Formats: sequence, structure tokens, C-alpha cells
Amino acid sequence: DAKTTQPTSMDCAEGRAANLPCNHSTISGNEYVYWYRQIHSQGPQYIIHGLKNNETNEMASLIITEDRKSSTLILPHATLRDTAVYYCIVRVGNTDKLIFGTGTRLQVFP
Amino acid sequence: EPEVTQTPSHQVTQMGQEVILRCVPISNHLYFYWYRQILGQKVEFLVSFYNNEISEKSEIFDDQFSVERPDGSNFTLKIRSTKLEDSAMYFCASSISEKNIQYFGAGTRLSVL
Repeated sequence: DAKTTQPTSMDCAEGRAANLPCNHSTISGNEYVYWYRQIHSQGPQYIIHGLKNNETNEMASLIITEDRKSSTLILPHATLRDTAVYYCIVRVGNTDKLIFGTGTRLQVFP
Repeated sequence: EPEVTQTPSHQVTQMGQEVILRCVPISNHLYFYWYRQILGQKVEFLVSFYNNEISEKSEIFDDQFSVERPDGSNFTLKIRSTKLEDSAMYFCASSISEKNIQYFGAGTRLSVL
């Protein structure tokens, strides 16, 4: 089972920042947090990942709390094309597989 | 930008028939994966493959399933005798190394009639 908890759905106005929370209270010290998204029924798309420091790339920023029990994915200027299901995944240390939960359905509206 | 390519995009087959789903991973990647997603459900791991061997497989990946890397570029998933419940999107993924970023293809929609 997934080690993460995410809200089922969120809305965001186009041009505004989308902040997607994720709880992973049972995360272990060497387990990374990964974010993927899935647009319609397309293949999951990698967004960003981190261990304990905040990370930023061209798509998003990842803020991980100091105790690592939660994180937030930030899309700084959401567009309509960011409408998707966003998955927060804790990469369990003893396996290479990704365990997907139900994710957060983000709806960006004009 | 390199990408994982899957063919066909949609496969329709009769129950009991064999199907082969094909994937071309990113060229310098060494780890390969298959996942599936039944309509409206979660993305589920099926199998991981490295160095011509299965590294890990899920309970879903029973004797009806097999994977193969027949040449230096393709990675295939075979279902020997399809069942109605095999209808799903099948996603191939590849990674340059173990526990690294997995990049997914666009998927093959398998419809078993």
C-alpha cells in the first residue's frame, strides 16, 4: 500500500500557485519522496523528487518539512494544461517499484 | 528529449488470444518496468527487469505473463491467454539505474472482448 495521504481533489485558478499537500508520516530516513502526474489516461509523468532538502526544477518546487512527515508540491503559475492527477510517492527502500495511491485530482480553471 | 515509446497505442483482442505489447525504452537505460491501470483504478506495478532477468514481480504477474528483451532496443510484455479482466492501460517505464527516476511511455490500451 502507498505510504502517503493526499486530498482527493483541489481547484486552482489559472496563473495562481497550486500547492498540493502530501502526508507521509511513516517515512524512513533513506526514503525519497517522488511526485508524478497523469494527464487523462496518459503515462505518469515525472515531476520532481527529494529526500530532505527543498528542491526546484523547471516544472515545480518541492517543500519537505523538517521532520519529513509531509511535503508540498508547488506549481508556481498553474495553467490549464496542469489539470491532472498528481501522485505523491514514497520510494520504499527495499524495492524498486513505484507504489501509486489515488493521488490528488487538480482542476485548473480559467 | 528521449522518451519511452509503446506500440500499439490500442490493441483489441479476443479472450484466450495471446498478445504482445511492445516498448522501446530510453536508449541508455538499463532497468525496465511494466505497470497497468484498469479503468478508474490505481496504477499497479507488474514487473521489473534488469540484465535479462526479472528483478521483482507482483502477484498480478502470474504464469500468463512474461517479459522479454528480444534485442538491444525492445522490451515486450506477453500475455499468453488473455482474460476479460486483463483489459487495462499498460505502461512501460525505464530507468538509467535502480531506484532512479522512472520514465513512462504513453501506454497501450488493451481491450479484451
